[in-house]
Amino acid sequence: QSALTQPASVSGSPGQSITISCTGTSSDVGNYKYVSWYQQHPGKAPKLMIYEVSNRPSGVPGRFSGSKSGSTASLTISGLQAEDEADYYCSSYTSSSSLYVVFGGGTKLTVL
Amino acid sequence: QITLKESGPTLVKPTQTLTLTCTFSGFSLSTSGVGVGWIRQPPGKALEWLALIYWNDDKRYSPSLMSRLTITKDTSKNQVVLTLTNMDPVDTATYFCAHLISVATFDYWGQGTLVTVSS
Repeated sequence: QSALTQPASVSGSPGQSITISCTGTSSDVGNYKYVSWYQQHPGKAPKLMIYEVSNRPSGVPGRFSGSKSGSTASLTISGLQAEDEADYYCSSYTSSSSLYVVFGGGTKLTVL
Repeated sequence: QITLKESGPTLVKPTQTLTLTCTFSGFSLSTSGVGVGWIRQPPGKALEWLALIYWNDDKRYSPSLMSRLTITKDTSKNQVVLTLTNMDPVDTATYFCAHLISVATFDYWGQGTLVTVSS
């Protein structure tokens, strides 16, 4: 199955903003609003940070925001904090074959 | 408060069948719209969706593993069971179950269980 494409790593200093991209196709990101972002700290379960492209679940700081343009979704974290250092995964509903949801390859965020 | 917890063997031999149980609380799989999914993550690698079951017993499977996967539910026990046949070392991974909040969106996850395939 084809995964969504994410950069392997991004970094930023405390207080800065970073953006993680997630590129798919017209079978997933490009044609559906069901794009999510998950944060995963080492040894922990993923945590939902953004759903339906730009919605934040209750309890997720406003520093986290999501957007989409064409077949590329983006997660932006503003005002970086040390605790934001983690792996981030995007996912999308897909109509490709009988696959239901596809994940990205993950991006390691390092807070310098 | 929604919680989920995976249970099952930590070590299986090649060719054996893996059976994992997801025991949950805080929601019912008999409620319209509710779903539970399984996702796995090999050590140091990305997440991979495996299967999903809905309140109405509708099931979805990853095409690459469909021939080996079965997902079932026991509503009375608040459990979802995943079986994966013909295990191989490449199936070594942490297996998570998760609550489906919206299309292809999982809001609550279990802690995960590491399954190692080795003889």
